[in-house]
Amino acid sequence: GEDVEQSLFLSVREGDSSVINCTYTDSSSTYLYWYKQEPGAGLQLLTYIFSNMDMKQDQRLTVLLNKKDKHLSLRIADTQTGDSAIYFCAEIPDNYGQNFVFGPGTRLSVLP
Amino acid sequence: DGGITQSPKYLFRKEGQNVTLSCEQNLNHDAMYWYRQDPGQGLRLIYYSQIVNDFQKGDIAEGYSVSREKKESFPLTVTSAQKNPTAFYLCASSIAVWTGGAHNSPLHFGNGTRLTVT
Repeated sequence: GEDVEQSLFLSVREGDSSVINCTYTDSSSTYLYWYKQEPGAGLQLLTYIFSNMDMKQDQRLTVLLNKKDKHLSLRIADTQTGDSAIYFCAEIPDNYGQNFVFGPGTRLSVLP
Repeated sequence: DGGITQSPKYLFRKEGQNVTLSCEQNLNHDAMYWYRQDPGQGLRLIYYSQIVNDFQKGDIAEGYSVSREKKESFPLTVTSAQKNPTAFYLCASSIAVWTGGAHNSPLHFGNGTRLTVT
C-alpha cells in the first residue's frame, strides 16, 4: 500500500544546514510536496518538485529527488530558530481525487 | 486576502455530544478536505468533496459526517459514535483535478481546530 516514511526528529545548530529525508512508495506520483507546520497551526506549503526533475532550489531550500530509490530530501541552508517546526513530505499516488499521502512529519529543533 | 478559516480554534465537549467544526474558504476552490492529526502521526483523511453536494469517505470516516451545500463551506460533525474524538482537525482546499496527467494542485490548509472531549 501507499506509505511515506520520515525520521521523526532532527536537531541542528543555528547556522548549520538541515537535511530532512523522506521515502515514498508510489512511482507514479507526479508531484511531491514539502509542508511546514508551526506549533498550533495548519500546514504551510514550502515547496514542491515535479517528478521529472532531480533538483529544485528556492532561496535557502533545496529539494533533491531520486526517483530510482524513491527518496526525497529537503535541505535548509543556514538554519534559523524560526525554522523550528514539523516538516511533512507528501505524495499524490494518483492523479484523480487528490488523495494526498503524508509522512508522519519530522520535528526539526534548532539549537542556539 | 484569500484563505481558509476554521473556527473555533479550541473546542471542548462532553462525551456523548455531537459537535460541528466550521471550515470556510474564499479561494474559489472546488475541492475541500478534512484531516485528523494525532501526535507523532501524519495526517489522516476523514472526508473530501470535489464539488458541491457531493463528498466521499476518506480513510477514517467512521463516526464523522459532512455536508457540502455551498462551494465555500465544508462543515464536519464529530458524532458521539466516534470512539476517540480528541484530536487536531485540519481543513484544506485545492483546485479540483478532473483529468489524468500531471497537475500541480497543492492543498491549502486552515489553522486547525483542537477538539477535546472529556
